[in-house]
Amino acid sequence: LAKTTQPISMDSYEGQEVNITCSHNNIATNDYITWYQQFPSQGPRFIIQGYKTKVTNEVASLFIPADRKSSTLSLPRVSLSDTAVYYCLVGSGRLAFGKGNQVVVIP
Amino acid sequence: ETGVTQTPRHLVMGMTNKKSLKCEQHLGHNAMYWYKQSAKKPLELMFVYNFKEQTENNSVPSRFSPECPNSSHLFLHLHTLQPEDSALYLCASSGTSGPPGEQYFGPGTRLTVT
Repeated sequence: LAKTTQPISMDSYEGQEVNITCSHNNIATNDYITWYQQFPSQGPRFIIQGYKTKVTNEVASLFIPADRKSSTLSLPRVSLSDTAVYYCLVGSGRLAFGKGNQVVVIP
Repeated sequence: ETGVTQTPRHLVMGMTNKKSLKCEQHLGHNAMYWYKQSAKKPLELMFVYNFKEQTENNSVPSRFSPECPNSSHLFLHLHTLQPEDSALYLCASSGTSGPPGEQYFGPGTRLTVT
């Protein structure tokens, strides 16, 4: 399983765009990049998945450079309810969760 | 509401007790998973079932015994647990449609072993 590295935590002000980075230097050709969100005492929730370039859905955008060794999850205009742990996972089948990135949205 | 339910939501048990956690998915998925999430630790995958057959056991102690009677139901039987087994136990399911690796998680059971 490809290993991922994320910042441990970050703060952002309400209404701002938040960009959460993830590095995955040993990503394999068949691997996808998947992001999950987890609120306290709840199960993780799938946000978005991509293979290359850019993917956008109603919740977020995922930017993946050509070498695919990193990715950036972009959350537009965050609100207080976006405070959560965000996980970046890389793989083509079973995925392993790391420690994630605790994002705190400040009023 | 993710389509995956877990009961009970909270459980307190002594080290000599026997209890079971239940998970049910209403999504028509073929794969089901048990995860353990301890404080300040990443989610740990415990067991994986595909079409009712166990396909993965990540060196989980035998005091945890999974059961998957059909593709919609998953149980985790607990006996003679230790205090360090206190954690949030999460069930998840996945299907063959949708993005690979997309799993739907239940709300979890908060287990406290006294």
